[in-house]
Amino acid sequence: KQEVTQIPAALSVPEGENLVLNCSFTDSAIYNLQWFRQDPGKGLTSLLLIQSSQREQTSGRLNASLDKSSGRSTLYIAASQPGDSATYLCAVGPWGMLTFGGGTRLMVKP
Amino acid sequence: DTEVTQTPKHLVMGMTNKKSLKCEQHMGHRAMYWYKQKAKKPPELMFVYSYEKLSINESVPSRFSPECPNSSLLNLHLHALQPEDSALYLCASSQPPGRNNNEQFFGPGTRLTVL
Repeated sequence: KQEVTQIPAALSVPEGENLVLNCSFTDSAIYNLQWFRQDPGKGLTSLLLIQSSQREQTSGRLNASLDKSSGRSTLYIAASQPGDSATYLCAVGPWGMLTFGGGTRLMVKP
Repeated sequence: DTEVTQTPKHLVMGMTNKKSLKCEQHMGHRAMYWYKQKAKKPPELMFVYSYEKLSINESVPSRFSPECPNSSLLNLHLHALQPEDSALYLCASSQPPGRNNNEQFFGPGTRLTVL
């Protein structure tokens, strides 16, 4: 059974810092890996999708990498802003069966 | 348009009530999903529909009954729920298997409280 772990569970940083959020998974036979953002009480917003044949994806200040052999993904956030404060979730799986990590709660202080 | 809509936003029901949650997408996706999310926990997959047919049921109790009347709509019928079923219910959609991009897009959720 796939297990997904995210470290750290919570992170508080001053505005402007560059951040790295980590995601590890136990079964490397994944279809794709997706990073989401969730604001309190809200739905999930898709940030980046990395397909199993890819190594990284970039969108604006976000960059996600995937290393299937080691079972790891990192989400890099450049020049963090207070509006980045949210819970960040990674999810992996075969098609249609995403398994989510526990999330990293990020607080960016002005 | 990458929007998935869900109604209602909030729902309070008794254990003897019957209610339904609705989800709609107009992205042309042929796969739709129901997830359950308890407070401070990640979402857990409940059901997957592919081409309007139920393809995955993650051992969900029969008091939850999904329905996919067409490629844009997904319903979740609720009957005789328990207080522990109180949660945020999330709907998502994506391309079906065999397509290159399987990015899942989520709706805002329905906050369900069972009294």
